[in-house]
Amino acid sequence: AQKVTQAQTEISVVEKEDVTLDCVYETRDTTYYLFWYKQPPSGELVFLIRRNSFDEQNEISGRYSWNFQKSTSSFNFTITASQVVDSAVYFCALKAAGNKLTFGGGTRVLVKP
Amino acid sequence: DGGITQSPKYLFRKEGQNVTLSCEQNLNHDAMYWYRQDPGQGLRLIYYSQIVNDFQKGDIAEGYSVSREKKESFPLTVTSAQKNPTAFYLCASSPRLAVFGTDTQYFGPGTRLTVL
Repeated sequence: AQKVTQAQTEISVVEKEDVTLDCVYETRDTTYYLFWYKQPPSGELVFLIRRNSFDEQNEISGRYSWNFQKSTSSFNFTITASQVVDSAVYFCALKAAGNKLTFGGGTRVLVKP
Repeated sequence: DGGITQSPKYLFRKEGQNVTLSCEQNLNHDAMYWYRQDPGQGLRLIYYSQIVNDFQKGDIAEGYSVSREKKESFPLTVTSAQKNPTAFYLCASSPRLAVFGTDTQYFGPGTRLTVL
C-alpha cells in the first residue's frame, strides 16, 4: 500500500518569506516516483516536478527547490521569497510501479502582501 | 494550444438526475483519467482508460460510468446511484498509462458539480 502524508494543512506567510512544505511517503516498492502539483484558486492542477527513487539529487528551479531524502521518506518543497501568486494548494503525490497515483491531503499556502 | 478542456466549469443537478461531464484533450495522449476532489482533501481516482474502447475502475467507481469512443474524449456520467455527487471533478491525461507506468499526468481545469 502507498500513503502520502502532508501534515501541514495550511501555512500563512508574508510576501518574500520562504515557505517549506513537508511531504512524507510510505511504500514498499524500491522503484517509485514522487510528484508535486500546484492547485491555484482556479482549480486546475499544475505539474511542478517529478523525481524517481534512484535520483536523490536535490533540484532548484527558480524560486522553487526540492529536498528528496530516502532515508527519512521525505520529499519537501521550498518556495523562496514567496509571492502572492504562490498562494495555492500544493499536493505531493507518489506512484510506485503497479500502483495508482496517490495524493496527499494537500497544504494550503496563503501569501499575504 | 495543446491541452485538456473540461466543460462545463460549473454544473448544477437535481437529485435523481444523471449528468455527463466532458473531457477533451488534444495532446495525443493515450491514457485518460477521472478524479474526484472533495473540499480540503486530495484526489481520488474514479476511472481510467489506456486505449479507445477500454477503461478500468478506480477506487471510487460506484455511481459513475465512462466511455472512450475516441482517443481525445473521455466523458464521465454521474448517475443517480452516486449518493454524494457534489464535488470537484478533474480529468487528466498522460502519454501512456501512468497507473502502471511512470508518465506524468496533466490535468484539466475541472468541473464543479453541485447537487441541489
